[in-house]
Amino acid sequence: DAGVTQSPTHLIKTRGQQVTLRCSPKSGHDTVSWYQQALGQGPQFIFQYYEEEERQRGNFPDRFSGHQFPNYSSELNVNALLLGDSALYLCASSFVRGRGIEQYFGPGTRLTVT
Amino acid sequence: AQKVTQAQTEISVVEKEDVTLDCVYETRDTTYYLFWYKQPPSGELVFLIRRNSFDEQNEISGRYSWNFQKSTSSFNFTITASQVVDSAVYFCALSEAGGNTPLVFGKGTRLSVIA
Repeated sequence: DAGVTQSPTHLIKTRGQQVTLRCSPKSGHDTVSWYQQALGQGPQFIFQYYEEEERQRGNFPDRFSGHQFPNYSSELNVNALLLGDSALYLCASSFVRGRGIEQYFGPGTRLTVT
Repeated sequence: AQKVTQAQTEISVVEKEDVTLDCVYETRDTTYYLFWYKQPPSGELVFLIRRNSFDEQNEISGRYSWNFQKSTSSFNFTITASQVVDSAVYFCALSEAGGNTPLVFGKGTRLSVIA
């Protein structure tokens, strides 16, 4: 049973560029959440996708957008990259009909903006 | 607003010592969930435990134990007879009830276990 997978593992971009990160949820899960973890900090919630729609959003600017596909996989897009966007981006999957069920995290994508 | 505080930034212990990681939370909800995650150097967050607000029973799983006290809004985590493999960053997190609500994390406690 495959867990949550993310690609790429590492990425280096230049300020102003755009980036797309990808996530495949754990088998049987239908909800994907994205978190940003800056160095030395806890993860911060970006947004959550269910049934191909953004259901909840944290305090992140519109430069952060996402998409969920019919197979439940998801993409996180960040436009006009800033140095402060350098972080570990974590994807978590869960099953919406579970109440308060734990979220399973992928290994993350480490984004460096220079 | 929900908030999780992990006051201990870094802890260093010698192997076989017991260690307790503190977690204090704030929420206005009467129903909520508390979690502990472990983050080894690889970066992946590993789920350790979930506890709902109506279940204050302490739990023990092998060398791990958790003490949930609503009266003090604390959910502390103890590792007994620590091992080098326990070295990681540990996060406490909180979510509202209702399923699939976002997790609010503390800043984490870095535990180093020295052989």
